[in-house]
Amino acid sequence: AQSVSQHNHHVILSEAASLELGCNYSYGGTVNLFWYVQYPGQHLQLLLKYFSGDPLVKGIKGFEAEFIKSKFSFNLRKPSVQWSDTAEYFCAVNKAGGYQKVTFGTGTKLQVIP
Amino acid sequence: EPEVTQTPSHQVTQMGQEVILRCVPISNHLYFYWYRQILGQKVEFLVSFYNNEISEKSEIFDDQFSVERPDGSNFTLKIRSTKLEDSAMYFCASTGDKKKNEQYFGPGTRLTVT
Repeated sequence: AQSVSQHNHHVILSEAASLELGCNYSYGGTVNLFWYVQYPGQHLQLLLKYFSGDPLVKGIKGFEAEFIKSKFSFNLRKPSVQWSDTAEYFCAVNKAGGYQKVTFGTGTKLQVIP
Repeated sequence: EPEVTQTPSHQVTQMGQEVILRCVPISNHLYFYWYRQILGQKVEFLVSFYNNEISEKSEIFDDQFSVERPDGSNFTLKIRSTKLEDSAMYFCASTGDKKKNEQYFGPGTRLTVT
């Protein structure tokens, strides 16, 4: 069964700082990878996704993530965070092909200080 | 852009009562899912549903839970006799793309069992 590890549970940054959130997954086959964001009191929103092709994917709001297959990693990055990026970020994975369930990581709470 | 909708947004019920959570998936999607998120924890898979049958279910999805697609648009999750520990946010999701399996999540129903 696949699993997802997010190493940082709580990150505090000042505005304009750079962000990198770690995500590693465990699964031997081909996977789809996702980052979701959950703003306070709101529902899950898809930030970006990787299915195949260019391992560097760009998402909404200036976020990007890089799939490194050899490291089973899919880290999320943003060069300059804003106060409005304060939210919880979830890395997620499912098996490629078919209608497989999504497995989520435990989430990273990001707090951006103005 | 089409989206998954869920009703109600918040349901309060007493322990032992039955609840039905409703979801309207995206109209041309064929695979449906329920996930839940207990406060402060990660999103967990409950069940997947295709062609009027359960495709996969997790250990959480015991005999107290059932799913149904009563008509061509709704997808419901029923909890027969709620427990305090069923308090959580319940998310419905759907997908129509077998190759990519990007799941679209609804806004969630917050279930509070007292």
